[in-house]
Amino acid sequence: DAKTTQPTSMDCAEGRAANLPCNHSTISGNEYVYWYRQIHSQGPQYIIHGLKNNETNEMASLIITEDRKSSTLILPHATLRDTAVYYCIVRVPWGGFKTIFGAGTRLFVKA
Amino acid sequence: IAGITQAPTSQILAAGRRMTLRCTQDMRHNAMYWYRQDLGLGLRLIHYSNTAGTTGKGEVPDGYSVSRANTDDFPLTLASAVPSQTSVYFCASSDQYNTGELFFGEGSRLTVL
Repeated sequence: DAKTTQPTSMDCAEGRAANLPCNHSTISGNEYVYWYRQIHSQGPQYIIHGLKNNETNEMASLIITEDRKSSTLILPHATLRDTAVYYCIVRVPWGGFKTIFGAGTRLFVKA
Repeated sequence: IAGITQAPTSQILAAGRRMTLRCTQDMRHNAMYWYRQDLGLGLRLIHYSNTAGTTGKGEVPDGYSVSRANTDDFPLTLASAVPSQTSVYFCASSDQYNTGELFFGEGSRLTVL
């Protein structure tokens, strides 16, 4: 079973921030939170990851709660091209071989 | 930069036939994975390998086998295909000694009739 739970779908207006939540209440101390997205039927694409500190890169920001039981991926200015399925997973980078994905959140960005 | 290369891109196969999906990576990553994705569903792990010479079972391993003879190649074999194995198959690799992110191929669409 996936170790994360995400809403099935979300809508966002173009130009607004998209905030995608993820629950990972059973996360272990050495597990990182990773986010990926899949556009149409392409292979999933890495977005960002973090352990306990908030992270930001050119694509998104990742906010992890202090207890690490949940996180939020933020797309600051969503565009139509951000319409995709977003996956949140937890894994140990150096040994997380049985990497399990859930069903993800389908984000619809609307004009 | 090639990354992960999967072949074939798509294939139609008669039930009962044997099929091997090929996956090659040029990033010298230790770990490799095979996932299947069915319409409207997320990714389900079939098999994985954390280094050449070792493999492990994922969530849905039945009906599939893998081998990891070297670092670069991780073929997935369906010994006797069944219609329920109709799916899109994704291969991935990860650098266990760096960020641990997974790099995915573009998928192989398999239809078993």
